[in-house]
Amino acid sequence: NAGVTQTPKFQVLKTGQSMTLQCAQDMNHNSMYWYRQDPGMGLRLIYYSASEGTTDKGEVPNGYNVSRLNKREFSLRLESAAPSQTSVYFCASSDLPGTGNYGYTFGSGTRLTVV
Amino acid sequence: KNEVEQSPQNLTAQEGEFITINCSYSVGISALHWLQQHPGGGIVSLFMLSSGKKKHGRLIATINIQEKHSSLHITASHPRDSAVYICAVPQSGGSNYKLTFGKGTLLTVNP
Repeated sequence: NAGVTQTPKFQVLKTGQSMTLQCAQDMNHNSMYWYRQDPGMGLRLIYYSASEGTTDKGEVPNGYNVSRLNKREFSLRLESAAPSQTSVYFCASSDLPGTGNYGYTFGSGTRLTVV
Repeated sequence: KNEVEQSPQNLTAQEGEFITINCSYSVGISALHWLQQHPGGGIVSLFMLSSGKKKHGRLIATINIQEKHSSLHITASHPRDSAVYICAVPQSGGSNYKLTFGKGTLLTVNP
């Protein structure tokens, strides 16, 4: 099925551990995003990639790094996890209005707990 | 940067009732998104609209560009409609792919 696939769905980390969240889309979208969702805060943009080969910081980039591996894949890395990074992470993809492929598609989310 | 306000924050209804959720934003936009998130679930895009009205089943979304306001209506509500409904608009108001999200409206429909 066409869409955005995120792995893993659940993860528990100890403080200081590292991990990479994987995301792949088959929507043929140019843009990909990583968001975090915290209670009462709404969705906040961590990093985005407007097109293959580019990445930029969003609202809350500290403690994260990203890699746009190719047009389909966009990964998010936590180098040294902290309890403040406990959250639900969503990957999304989209294209620009006017491209004929505009619209947002979200992955199913990764629930990360850092203890 | 665009600011998004949703109301109400929480809404409880009886099955069959007509539901309205409102969204206001501060900067003119190219398109507005309505999203749905079931408890513990993923996020699904319901509508993307830039003018007028769109309908999908029992869901209707309207937008008034001049007033910077959109509404999401649910007719004949059902317990399976219980979810968080989120409004989102481009951050800078133009044809921008980065979105600003409202904090969501938690809808509970009781049987």
